[in-house]
Amino acid sequence: GAVVSQHPSRVICKSGTSVKIECRSLDFQATTMFWYRQFPKKSLMLMATSNEGSKATYEQGVEKDKFLINHASLTLSTLTVTSAHPEDSSFYICSASSGQGPYEQYFGPGTRLTVT
Amino acid sequence: GQSLEQPSEVTAVEGAIVQINCTYQTSGFYGLSWYQQHDGGAPTFLSYNALDGLEETGRFSSFLSRSDSYGYLLLQELQMKDSASYFCAVSPSGNKLSFGAGTTVTVRA
Repeated sequence: GAVVSQHPSRVICKSGTSVKIECRSLDFQATTMFWYRQFPKKSLMLMATSNEGSKATYEQGVEKDKFLINHASLTLSTLTVTSAHPEDSSFYICSASSGQGPYEQYFGPGTRLTVT
Repeated sequence: GQSLEQPSEVTAVEGAIVQINCTYQTSGFYGLSWYQQHDGGAPTFLSYNALDGLEETGRFSSFLSRSDSYGYLLLQELQMKDSASYFCAVSPSGNKLSFGAGTTVTVRA
């Protein structure tokens, strides 16, 4: 099956700093990548959709200047949390779609962000 | 917008059958998907229904009734490794997914 990796798996940073999370599709070309946020025991909340070479589309209520998304190639998307605060602490998960399956999305293993 | 409802928790014994229901309200609908997520892990795709009826994949089956805006995931011959959270998700447009709150399934010996 399709494999999606995320790096780092865990990161701890201080308030005010920025953190970059990478999402890579390892064995297929991802025309679209999605970024989700998940709180403990809660659902996945879609933050934004990114298509290679174009600007990301953010969901309502998600600050695009705070969560910068770049989809530079068909295998790589990055999420940068700028000026992180403790309330940004969460589990961030990316997913990738090749656009060929019936809306299957392949998820990365997630990144646990803790802001102190 | 979209809203999905599914039970928050289900507990059953090994070998039993569990049905997780999902009702949805959505402005657009392409299909209903089911995902499994173990604690701390990534969601993994289980099934997808675009048309009414039952889809069977091994021990897991998924059902959809578009007229009732309703679907379910059926887990048969439960095993301990099936303890996880299960999410239903609708595709309201394109290949976006909107997830339900998830159902935690606990399998007891």
